[in-house]
Amino acid sequence: NAGVTQTPKFRVLKTGQSMTLLCAQDMNHEYMYWYRQDPGMGLRLIHYSVGEGTTAKGEVPDGYNVSRLKKQNFLLGLESAAPSQTSVYFCASSYGRREAFFGQGTRLTVV
Amino acid sequence: TQLLEQSPQFLSIQEGENLTVYCNSSSVFSSLQWYRQEPGEGPVLLVTVVTGGEVKKLKRLTFQFGDARKDSSLHITAAQPGDTGLYLCAGVGSGYSTLTFGKGTMLLVSP
Repeated sequence: NAGVTQTPKFRVLKTGQSMTLLCAQDMNHEYMYWYRQDPGMGLRLIHYSVGEGTTAKGEVPDGYNVSRLKKQNFLLGLESAAPSQTSVYFCASSYGRREAFFGQGTRLTVV
Repeated sequence: TQLLEQSPQFLSIQEGENLTVYCNSSSVFSSLQWYRQEPGEGPVLLVTVVTGGEVKKLKRLTFQFGDARKDSSLHITAAQPGDTGLYLCAGVGSGYSTLTFGKGTMLLVSP
């Protein structure tokens, strides 16, 4: 039972480069989320989706874009990476506004 | 803003000691969840409390939801090194679409 799978697990980017983080879930959940976690800041919601083809902004959406073309996948894009986007990124999914299941995270460093 | 405040932020204890961590808010939540996050991993759900005054036990962990559904506590009896991790509370307030997370309590249990 894979649950929520994130790729890649680690990445180093140069300032200005772009990349896409992929999240896949096999639990048929409607809701999917992207969070970033920084020391002392807790988990902060970047964007979320309540179903295929829908997306919404969270608490810290600037500099990120998302797409939910398929129910099981939620992509997070960084158009022009900045050092402030160095963080650990977590994807999660849930059945409605209920318990969230998290991936193992992507550690991103922007130099 | 449905802020969830957790205390203490950091707790370092010896194996065998008891401890309580708290999650407080000025908002009412339909349910509160507790997660544990180990280093390098994503948060994992421990329990959900739904009813005001509810108490749930998970082995040596006891979770309580406040009568007014604005606060919750987690009590650990006879802590063990395996309990080390970041404990996060999260909830969905009425009128909100997504989970709100507290910043967490980092627990270190030394042998």
